Order: sequence, then structure tokens, then C-alpha cells
Amino acid sequence: DAKTTQPNSMESNEEEPVHLPCNHSTISGTDYIHWYRQLPSQGPEYVIHGLTSNVNNRMASLAIAEDRKSSTLILHRATLRDAAVYYCILRFSAAGNKLTFGGGTRVLVKP
Amino acid sequence: DTEVTQTPKHLVMGMTNKKSLKCEQHMGHRAMYWYKQKAKKPPELMFVYSYEKLSINESVPSRFSPECPNSSLLNLHLHALQPEDSALYLCASSQKPQFGGTGELFFGEGSRLTVL
Repeated sequence: DAKTTQPNSMESNEEEPVHLPCNHSTISGTDYIHWYRQLPSQGPEYVIHGLTSNVNNRMASLAIAEDRKSSTLILHRATLRDAAVYYCILRFSAAGNKLTFGGGTRVLVKP
Repeated sequence: DTEVTQTPKHLVMGMTNKKSLKCEQHMGHRAMYWYKQKAKKPPELMFVYSYEKLSINESVPSRFSPECPNSSLLNLHLHALQPEDSALYLCASSQKPQFGGTGELFFGEGSRLTVL
């Protein structure tokens, strides 16, 4: 299975943007890039996903490098509620229905 | 209704007990999952059910026995567990078992299991 690499932790100030990097140098052409986050004492929740093009939704933006070996999740204005562990995951289209979590980045938002 | 409901929220059991965790969703999803999460670690996939049939077993010990009686319900039967099995057990569901890159997973809040 292709792996992802993320920084262990990041800090941000409230109302400032947060850029969360993810390296996935062994990604294959049919692997989708998914991001989930897990708030304290809750199950993970879906944030965003993409294949090749940049994606935007109400929660975040996903910027995917042209060679697809890395991606960045962008939270445009961090709030205290965005403090969570953010997981970058490759979802394998050929591997059945597997979503395998990597180590994740713990985001701390300071008021 | 976009919820995955897990019961019980907390469970304490001895190593000789038999207990079950329950997961329910009413979103019409046809894929359901069990994950195990130890403290400060990412969730680890245990089982996947597609159309009520077991499609993935990630080499989980037989003391964990999953069951999918219908498309809305997923159980995890527990027997002769060890203290190291203490963890948060997360259930999730997604609309379609087949892949397309979409198929957002909806997670429950988990059942926190303590084995004495």
C-alpha cells in the first residue's frame, strides 16, 4: 500500500490560514487523496478528497501537486473548533474498500 | 439522518466475558466497517462488509467476530479478549462498496472498551 507522510503537529493562530502538507511519493495513478479529521473524543469526519485537480468545499481546499507526489490541505481561516488530528489518506481504487489511515498531523489553534 | 450510532459508548469486561458492540445506520449505505483505535494512534481497519458480506478481514484474531445481520446493522462480538484489546472501536459506513474515489465514510463516535 502506498504510504503518506505528514508532520506530527502544527500550530496556528485563530483566523489565520493553515497549510497542512502531505507527501505521498509512491502514489499510483488510480489512488485518490482523501483527508479526514478527528476532533477530540469523536470519530473521524470527512474533509475533502481529490484525484488530480485542486478541490474546494465549504470546509477546506485541497491543492494537489502536478506530479501528485504531494498535496496540501488548506484551512482558510482557522477557528478553535478546527483543532484536531488531520489525516491524509490514499484510497486505492483497486484494493476494495480500504481506507488506511497514516500518522496524521495534530493541529493546535491558538486564540 | 446522517448518523452512525454506536452502542454502548463505554464497556468494561473481563477476559472470560462475552459481549457485543453494536452499530446502526439508516442512510441506506451498503458498506460498513470496523476500526480499532489505540490512544494517540490512527484508526486501524479491522473488517469491511459489502452488501452484508464480509469482504475484508485484516487478519484480526478470532476473538473478534463481526456480524452484519442486515444492511443497517453491524455487530462486533467479543470473546476471551486480552487487556491489550482495550481501545476505541469505531464503526463507519459508506454509500457504495465499490470504489470510485468517492464514497465518503461516516464514522460513529466509537465504543470505548476496557478489558480487565
